[in-house]
Parts: sequence; structure tokens; C-alpha cells
Amino acid sequence: KAGVTQTPRYLIKTRGQQVTLSCSPISGHRSVSWYQQTPGQGLQFLFEYFSETQRNKGNFPGRFSGRQFSNSRSEMNVSTLELGDSALYLCASSLSQGPDTQYFGPGTRLTVL
Amino acid sequence: TQLLEQSPQFLSIQEGENLTVYCNSSSVFSSLQWYRQEPGEGPVLLVTVVTGGEVKKLKRLTFQFGDARKDSSLHITAAQPGDTGLYLCAANAGNNRKLIWGLGTSLAVNP
Repeated sequence: KAGVTQTPRYLIKTRGQQVTLSCSPISGHRSVSWYQQTPGQGLQFLFEYFSETQRNKGNFPGRFSGRQFSNSRSEMNVSTLELGDSALYLCASSLSQGPDTQYFGPGTRLTVL
Repeated sequence: TQLLEQSPQFLSIQEGENLTVYCNSSSVFSSLQWYRQEPGEGPVLLVTVVTGGEVKKLKRLTFQFGDARKDSSLHITAAQPGDTGLYLCAANAGNNRKLIWGLGTSLAVNP
């Protein structure tokens, strides 16, 4: 069974721009969660989608948004990029919502200049 | 706010040495997971512990969940360069919402 895939793997943007990241979960997994990982803050939860509905949300500003499609694929959007948004963005899928085992993709490395 | 504290933050050892890393909290958890993240990849689940006092072994890795379900440890015997990575613990607070993550222990095993 194919793992979680994320595109693109690397991205360079400038301040003020917006970006969209994509995630395809493991087949059969209906929950997709997004995390931001930085050396200083570690792994921080952004939000979780299950059956196309946002179920949980972390403490991030409204510039961070996401959505999930009927095939469980998910996208994350960050608008008005700031330097501090530079991070590794990880997508994880799981069978059920909530604190289930997370199966992570390789991440998208976003650099904001 | 529920926090998971991992220690040490960084660890650099020689091949063949033993080591233990810790994941501590003042909160009680219904279960706890350990993940390993290698450079350029996402974290991969190693084990889930559920019962207080539970010990699980995965080859040279031994995981223990504290009796009170507030802490956990990971012991690696005869570490190898392939064990290098970031070890993360994540706990289920039982409120069926989301996992709580520690900051991780970055382990480097030198040949």
C-alpha cells in the first residue's frame, strides 16, 4: 500500500506571497492532519480533517487554512507569508480521527525569503 | 496546558554504547506513542504503549510506560549508526481530540 505523499517537497517563496501544499493519504485513511515542524518549536499541530470537515484546530492564525476533498486528499494554504512560516510542513493520515496512529508523509520544506 | 518534556534534548554517542531517553509529564495519559524521524523524512511510529508498567521490546529498543501512565522511557542497547534520528513521544490525553507531542531527542550515533 502506498504511503502518504506530499507535493511539492521543496518550496521557496517571498514574504507576502501565498502557498498551497498538497497531501494524498494512505488509501482507506479518512483523517488527514497537518503539522508545522521547526527546530525551536518542534512538531506543532495545525488542523485535522475527517470526512471533508475540520475536526480539530491548533493555535495558528487564520492565514493558515486547509480543506479535504471527497477522496480524502487534502490541501493546506498559507496566505501572506511571513519569514517565521519557514518550516517543514508534515501531513499525516490515520484511519480514524483524533489521537490515532499518525502515518506521516516526507513533508514539504517551505522557505520564506 | 498539558506538556510532554523529553530529555535529553541532544545526545551524541559512539557505536555500541547504551542510552536511555525520557518522556515525562505531570498529566496522566491513556496511551503513548514513540516515533523516530530520520533526516528528510516524516516521523515513523515505533511503538504504542497503553498499560501502566508496560514494557515492549523492538529488537534493541526497549520501551516502558510508567506505572502511573505519566512518563515513558526508551532504552537502546548497543546503538548503531542506523539509530540516528529524532525520537519523538506523543501522548493521548484521552479527550479524543489530538495527540500531544514532545520536542524530541536528537540522537547521533557515531561509527
